[in-house]
Amino acid sequence: QVQLQESGPGLVKPSETLSLTCAVSGYSISSGYYWGWIRQPPGKGLEWIGSIYHSGSTYYNPSLKSRVTISVDTSKNQFSLKLSSVTAADTAVYYCARRRGYALFDYWGQGTLVTVSS
Amino acid sequence: QSALTQPASVSGSPGQSITISCTGTSSDVGGYNYVSWYQQHPGKAPKLMIYEVSNRPSGVSNRFSGSKSGNTASLTISGLQAEDEADYYCSSYTSSSTLGVVFGGGTKLTVL
Repeated sequence: QVQLQESGPGLVKPSETLSLTCAVSGYSISSGYYWGWIRQPPGKGLEWIGSIYHSGSTYYNPSLKSRVTISVDTSKNQFSLKLSSVTAADTAVYYCARRRGYALFDYWGQGTLVTVSS
Repeated sequence: QSALTQPASVSGSPGQSITISCTGTSSDVGGYNYVSWYQQHPGKAPKLMIYEVSNRPSGVSNRFSGSKSGNTASLTISGLQAEDEADYYCSSYTSSSTLGVVFGGGTKLTVL
């Protein structure tokens, strides 16, 4: 059974960098598929942030591209998200997920709430 | 890339059928058969219910079905049950960015 688990600070100050890691178990990232990050502001809808292939190729939402970096560490079977220059608008539940094919996410982490506040 | 358009809310009585629409453009929904639907209960992660317009993952009830016509995709739930009450999101591949994905704004389903 594939499982994903997000981890990272729950509180980030404005203008700083949000950093999250997604640990994957039950499947080796090196075996394939894309891996992605999706966020959901409180009471709002889902927003795709970006995806990464096990080789390291990355694909980002154009609206966030200038601030986002997604990386993968196959030795630890995990991938990470960095979002720079955060504001209150970046407050959201952040999910990591396995992306299969062109646009479906079949396994999701439980999500982690990140609040941007001083 | 603009969000796909979904109705904010739909409702139905137990046993009835409901349909949720998801409208996009020829750059996403209308151009590709890569539409997915997710169910999200409060405080939980989204769950994949339909992929590639009309395919159900293993374990998803056959009461859930998907279709597409032009730029609009639809999710139909038949034989409504209380546990179907949740938020539903559509998503689609979009050619507006490399391997891009766009989500709908979400629809709150209330089972009366």
